[in-house]
Amino acid sequence: SAVISQKPSRDICQRGTSLTIQCQVDSQVTMMFWYRQQPGQSLTLIATANQGSEATYESGFVIDKFPISRPNLTFSTLTVSNMSPEDSSIYLCSVGWGNGYTFGSGTRLTVV
Amino acid sequence: DQQVKQNSPSLSVQEGRISILNCDYTNSMFDYFLWYKKYPAEGPTFLISISSIKDKNEDGRFTVFLNKSAKHLSLHIVPSQPGDSAVYFCAASASGGYQKVTFGTGTKLQVIP
Repeated sequence: SAVISQKPSRDICQRGTSLTIQCQVDSQVTMMFWYRQQPGQSLTLIATANQGSEATYESGFVIDKFPISRPNLTFSTLTVSNMSPEDSSIYLCSVGWGNGYTFGSGTRLTVV
Repeated sequence: DQQVKQNSPSLSVQEGRISILNCDYTNSMFDYFLWYKKYPAEGPTFLISISSIKDKNEDGRFTVFLNKSAKHLSLHIVPSQPGDSAVYFCAASASGGYQKVTFGTGTKLQVIP
């Protein structure tokens, strides 16, 4: 299966700042997905990122808050901008592979 | 609107017995279903999937059953092992390539030695 390297694994950030999360895949994939898991909740899709086009955001998520880059078929970044404590979550990237989807190990973000 | 529901937040099972995790969905467009296991501080790990054209899929100790008329699926783990202790997520998507996946809220399984 595809292997995803996600960085950073965790971070503690001051409110009002931004954090960029990176995902590197060991294979070329067309679509990458970014999810958020808030404490005690399920995984929620933030956006779908295709190489060479603008990301598609789900309801409740906007590009100004969560800008995404997809410069090639193996790499993507998600930025959490102007952070507030409500952004404290685990953020995960994912790619479709085989019969399912492979996930990165996640970034645990705490905003103080 | 929670389109994929796991009504049991937790489940405890003795080692060697069967674990049954349940999941209900409401969206008729879903026709591909997946189960994931998640340990703390790790990303979800894919376990098993099932397409709506089937009603059962097996992979080793894991079997998923799908009842389309009831919009219900279940994951059976037999025999349960202490290493199976984790949070299990049910997920669903529409077919046609890789689509966005909608996840349930998860069930925390504890297998007691």
